[in-house]
Amino acid sequence: GENVEQHPSTLSVQEGDSAVIKCTYSDSASNYFPWYKQELGKRPQLIIDIRSNVGEKKDQRIAVTLNKTAKHFSLHITETQPEDSAVYFCAASRGGGGFKTIFGAGTRLFVKA
Amino acid sequence: ETGVTQSPTHLIKTRGQQVTLRCSSQSGHNTVSWYQQALGQGPQFIFQYYREEENGRGNFPPRFSGLQFPNYSSELNVNALELDDSALYLCASSLEYGELFFGEGSRLTVL
Repeated sequence: GENVEQHPSTLSVQEGDSAVIKCTYSDSASNYFPWYKQELGKRPQLIIDIRSNVGEKKDQRIAVTLNKTAKHFSLHITETQPEDSAVYFCAASRGGGGFKTIFGAGTRLFVKA
Repeated sequence: ETGVTQSPTHLIKTRGQQVTLRCSSQSGHNTVSWYQQALGQGPQFIFQYYREEENGRGNFPPRFSGLQFPNYSSELNVNALELDDSALYLCASSLEYGELFFGEGSRLTVL
């Protein structure tokens, strides 16, 4: 069945450093790749997404890259701040929220001040 | 515009009991997805409803069932509760090609 693998499970960085989280997916028909941030005790919220017709997307300090051939996609956070500390989930689906969306197991990011 | 709301926020049940969780989708959204999130894990897809029909299902047994109503709100029912059913149950609404908007979740504890 469909599967999304995410690593690392835990990531600790110094404030101002960059953080990279990597995911792989198994379903070749996946074409929509969102990233969600979940703060402690709160709901997951979308921070950025990418569709398969582009290889990279950037929004201020956050960027995502996609390699469809290798079925890899990554989240890059630059100039990390303490408020970036949270759990980040990658996900994959065949179109968007109206299609089954499979999530990775999550990466707990700690940003040390 | 109201967001996704879920009820109850917390509940405690015993093994063998049944539970119903409720979700009101965001205004204008016609799709509702349900996820189970165990502690320290990613959301696991249970099933999805589109215009009152089940539109996809994950690897959950038949004792997990659901409904979607004409106003696009939804229910998740779990029968014969087991200890492993203890988790945060998240509801998310969306349009077909849009992002998922999550509710705050219902935390179920099975004793």
